[in-house]
Amino acid sequence: GEDVEQSLFLSVREGDSSVINCTYTDSSSTYLYWYKQEPGAGLQLLTYIFSNMDMKQDQRLTVLLNKKDKHLSLRIADTQTGDSAIYFCAESNQGGKLIFGQGTELSVKP
Amino acid sequence: DTAVSQTPKYLVTQMGNDKSIKCEQNLGHDTMYWYKQDSKKFLKIMFSYNNKELIINETVPNRFSPKSPDKAHLNLHINSLELGDSAVYFCASSQDRPRQGKAFFGQGTRLTVV
Repeated sequence: GEDVEQSLFLSVREGDSSVINCTYTDSSSTYLYWYKQEPGAGLQLLTYIFSNMDMKQDQRLTVLLNKKDKHLSLRIADTQTGDSAIYFCAESNQGGKLIFGQGTELSVKP
Repeated sequence: DTAVSQTPKYLVTQMGNDKSIKCEQNLGHDTMYWYKQDSKKFLKIMFSYNNKELIINETVPNRFSPKSPDKAHLNLHINSLELGDSAVYFCASSQDRPRQGKAFFGQGTRLTVV
């Protein structure tokens, strides 16, 4: 089956690192994605990783993929108040659909 | 320039009414989507069109009918609106179907059925 799960909330202090976790079930996933949704806005693609990679770094963002455990994480270094948003993990499967997790609401406190 | 634009942004209507949401993309993409986000922020695909052809049609009541007059437009018409239709509806587009994960999303249409 297709299922993507995330914890619902994460609260961190400004300047700390944030780690948002995601698990998925479809082992045929080719790409895995992280999207950001700010209040009242649409989703914005942050980063993605191909399933044969185990890490990708893009400035303050680091994506780690453990394909054996079907676990994906997004680390945000030096988290800022502007990073407060909902973060969605998503996988694209061979059926041609994008499956989203429930979203993790990140709250950054000054 | 807005890449994916939806209208209206807010829509409040009574049960039983028929309403439409319009979506346009100026990115030259071949594939467009409608997603529904419920009150718990859960996001699920409803429909996908590729070059005006329907390619994904999830288990959605047939009161929902998408229409794609050309590949830059994908509208969503909803008949006999029900309270449970209240949600935020997002339009999105991607260059093609394999690149659906690199989609651009519109700002959303918040539909409230009263």
